[in-house]
Amino acid sequence: GDSVTQTEGLVTLTEGLPVMLNCTYQSTYSPFLFWYVQHLNEAPKLLLKSFTDNKRPEHQGFHATLHKSSSSFHLQKSSAQLSDSALYYCALSPLIASSSFSKLVFGQGTSLSVVP
Amino acid sequence: NAGVIQTPRHKVTGKGQEATLWCEPISGHSAVFWYRQTIVQGLEFLTYFRNQAPIDDSGMPKERFSAQMPNQSHSTLKIQSTQPQDSAVYLCASSLDWGGDEQYFGPGTRLTVL
Repeated sequence: GDSVTQTEGLVTLTEGLPVMLNCTYQSTYSPFLFWYVQHLNEAPKLLLKSFTDNKRPEHQGFHATLHKSSSSFHLQKSSAQLSDSALYYCALSPLIASSSFSKLVFGQGTSLSVVP
Repeated sequence: NAGVIQTPRHKVTGKGQEATLWCEPISGHSAVFWYRQTIVQGLEFLTYFRNQAPIDDSGMPKERFSAQMPNQSHSTLKIQSTQPQDSAVYLCASSLDWGGDEQYFGPGTRLTVL
């Protein structure tokens, strides 16, 4: 079946240090990978989505590279900001066909806390 | 664009009572999804509709949970005989067209079963 694994439940970083949140996945089909971010008392919002042509998506200083060989889609940022403190979910959308709708399968989430 | 609207934002029920949660997707979006969020389980898929038709309800507890989408402007999630373990934030999301599209989440309904 389809699954997403995020190994870190809580990551605490000092402001200015690099961020790397791990995400690995298993899927029968070639899925789309996503990172969603959820700030306290807010709804999850899309942060990044993988491209079919292997381009590296970037948004708000975050980027992620889809490595099909290792089934990974790690989230990175060069310098953490206090406002990055949030819950980060890695998710996949298992596509049976290129135009089919599909649910999101989420990892357990990683809580990022950036401190001064 | 008001985004995905969910009502009520908070609901408290007694054990054994029924709870109905409402979702209004973004106008023009073809797919509507329901998820459940708890601290222990994280975000879990429940069910989704495409053009109002039920497509996948593999995440729904079969006995007490049901979902409907009577028209393109709203969907409901009904939980009969609520139990304390049903306490969670129930999130509705909609997307424009296909599986690779962004899902836009509503603010959620926090259900507390006493």
